[in-house]
Amino acid sequence: QVQLKESGPGLVQPSRTLSLTCTVFGFSLTSCGVSWVRQPPGKGLEWIAAIWSGGRTDYNSALRSRLSISRDTSKSQVLLKMNSLQTEDTAMYFCARGYNFDYWGQGVMVTVSS
Amino acid sequence: DVVLTQTPPTLSATIGQSVSISCRSSQSLLDSDGDTYLNWMLQRPGQSPQLLIYSVSNLESGVPNRFSGSGSETDFTLKISGVEAEDLGVYYCMQATHAPLTFGSGTKLEIK
Repeated sequence: QVQLKESGPGLVQPSRTLSLTCTVFGFSLTSCGVSWVRQPPGKGLEWIAAIWSGGRTDYNSALRSRLSISRDTSKSQVLLKMNSLQTEDTAMYFCARGYNFDYWGQGVMVTVSS
Repeated sequence: DVVLTQTPPTLSATIGQSVSISCRSSQSLLDSDGDTYLNWMLQRPGQSPQLLIYSVSNLESGVPNRFSGSGSETDFTLKISGVEAEDLGVYYCMQATHAPLTFGSGTKLEIK
């Protein structure tokens, strides 16, 4: 059964680095890519980054300089790091599968505050 | 980056009414492999988004067939033929043809 589960800290201080993990079940990361998507409270969806089945990575243009996405295939995990966090980065962060985004995690809420 | 413009931003419908949502792209979404990676998502209140339609017109498994998608190149439409109460939420188009991937701004469907 395909599932994705996000994990990470609920609260991060401004200027610090956010580390999020997406653990996947029911498929291999070498067969299907995973994206990160975020949603600030009351706002729309914003694609952040992806790591594809062959290992290629893509990033949101505006966030590229602050992002790093990687994977650990042995643990079925996709890791997202975002540095220099600001209050505007407060959002629900989701991971989703493939080009079609056919499966999503339940999301993890990240609040940037001192 | 590809800009997806969704209209209308809000939609109010009665049960049984048919409605359409437009998604226009700033550039063609036809990929060199011949596919067009334009998807439609629904996010119900308090839930994660769910896939409705992929590659313009393919209905995702388990999605009611009152949902349909059409279009090509830069103009795409999602149609709901006979709105039901469970259809309320925000609809997003998104493209995966060009990196970076992008989402439309969303269309909120309200039930009268």
